[in-house]
Amino acid sequence: QQQVKQSPQSLIVQKGGISIINCAYENTAFDYFPWYQQFPGKGPALLIAIRPDVSEKKEGRFTISFNKSAKQFSLHIMDSQPGDSATYFCAASKSPSGSRLTFGEGTQLTVNP
Amino acid sequence: EAQVTQNPRYLITVTGKKLTVTCSQNMNHEYMSWYRQDPGLGLRQIYYSMNVEVTDKGDVPEGYKVSRKEKRNFPLILESPSPNQTSLYFCASSKASGRTDTQYFGPGTRLTVL
Repeated sequence: QQQVKQSPQSLIVQKGGISIINCAYENTAFDYFPWYQQFPGKGPALLIAIRPDVSEKKEGRFTISFNKSAKQFSLHIMDSQPGDSATYFCAASKSPSGSRLTFGEGTQLTVNP
Repeated sequence: EAQVTQNPRYLITVTGKKLTVTCSQNMNHEYMSWYRQDPGLGLRQIYYSMNVEVTDKGDVPEGYKVSRKEKRNFPLILESPSPNQTSLYFCASSKASGRTDTQYFGPGTRLTVL
């Protein structure tokens, strides 16, 4: 059973638009929520992460919004660029371990020029 | 350069022929993990290790073995591969400290079992 559910499975956005990917989790013990970005032929790489003591974290064009009561979090990519085309994975884990991540199913983002 | 390396990158084998995928990291990380990536399922953890000689099952350990005899190496062993183990495999490592849980992933090994 998937403990972290991610949607949509695929997303097509025009250059300059906003990309939004959503995730929902079940385990209330999760307290670390990272997003990973994966380009074809590469391993995933950490993009941005949040802990539940804040509701939003922004790094450049990337923002995580976190709703603890709803057990949901989302990634917003502002001013999306063709170079953002990749697969995005949300994940969750329980601290203090950095070794166990539970991933969502992934979203393939395509940003058209 | 700080990195996680995996070998081989591509492997085609037949059912039942034992194989090992190697993983090595040069960042002196305590934690290492193996994941498999399948379409529509994301990445699922196979095994993880919190330090030398300390390993534990992840979410999908059946059919796999691991060992952690040295801090830098964490090989994945398939004693008798089957077609349902055809997948893309990733090794990852992370440091056991504070609130920084960043996992660094290797480039992946694409395995096909015929």
